[in-house]
Amino acid sequence: QSAPTQPASLSASPGQSITISCTGTNSDVGNYDLVSWYQQHPGRAPQLIIYEVNKRPSGISGRFSGSRSGNTASLTISGLQAEDEADYYCCSCAGRSTLVFGEGTRLTVL
Amino acid sequence: QVQLQESGPGLMKPSETLSLTCTVSGFSVRSHYFWGWIRQPPGKGLQWIGSVYPGGTTHYDESVESRAIVSADTANNQFSLRLTSLTAADTAVYYCARQVTNLYYFDAWGQGTLVTVSS
Repeated sequence: QSAPTQPASLSASPGQSITISCTGTNSDVGNYDLVSWYQQHPGRAPQLIIYEVNKRPSGISGRFSGSRSGNTASLTISGLQAEDEADYYCCSCAGRSTLVFGEGTRLTVL
Repeated sequence: QVQLQESGPGLMKPSETLSLTCTVSGFSVRSHYFWGWIRQPPGKGLQWIGSVYPGGTTHYDESVESRAIVSADTANNQFSLRLTSLTAADTAVYYCARQVTNLYYFDAWGQGTLVTVSS
């Protein structure tokens, strides 16, 4: 299966809000409430920040929120902070017990 | 608190077979979770390889399915990845992770280990 499409890069200033999109198909993102998002800082392992479209694990800031409409899932980060500068990946169930990661988005906090 | 740690060779030659092990501490691999492998080529995105349930059920990404085997060693609280017929395209950081069963997300990750395939 093909990786869901994400913008390669985004930038915003501290305090602003930003939304990262993850566009898949009706075989993955659009067919399951099983989209997760991961934050990855350089040289570090990914960290789960959103699961099941819009749920936050314990310890993850409420500034992170998720949603889905049709074949596109979105991650919104409000009140941007310098430490939010990282790569972000969506991930979705893709049927037949498989899953697929999105292409990834590099977020720069100006 | 669950911790995962990958181990294995850092340098491989083309056509060789890679064997990586993930040692889990603070949690039993016998529990109701899948255990997965994800890789990341240098400067590129994440790619799921495959996952195993302690009972033996496995699932793989179709792009590596013919070359990959993921297995669990419950006696030693470990799980492993075997990847055959290596090429330079298999050069990547390999992560092991805990996958929540039926919900398709990874809630705990190892720190990753770099595997370079070069002659």
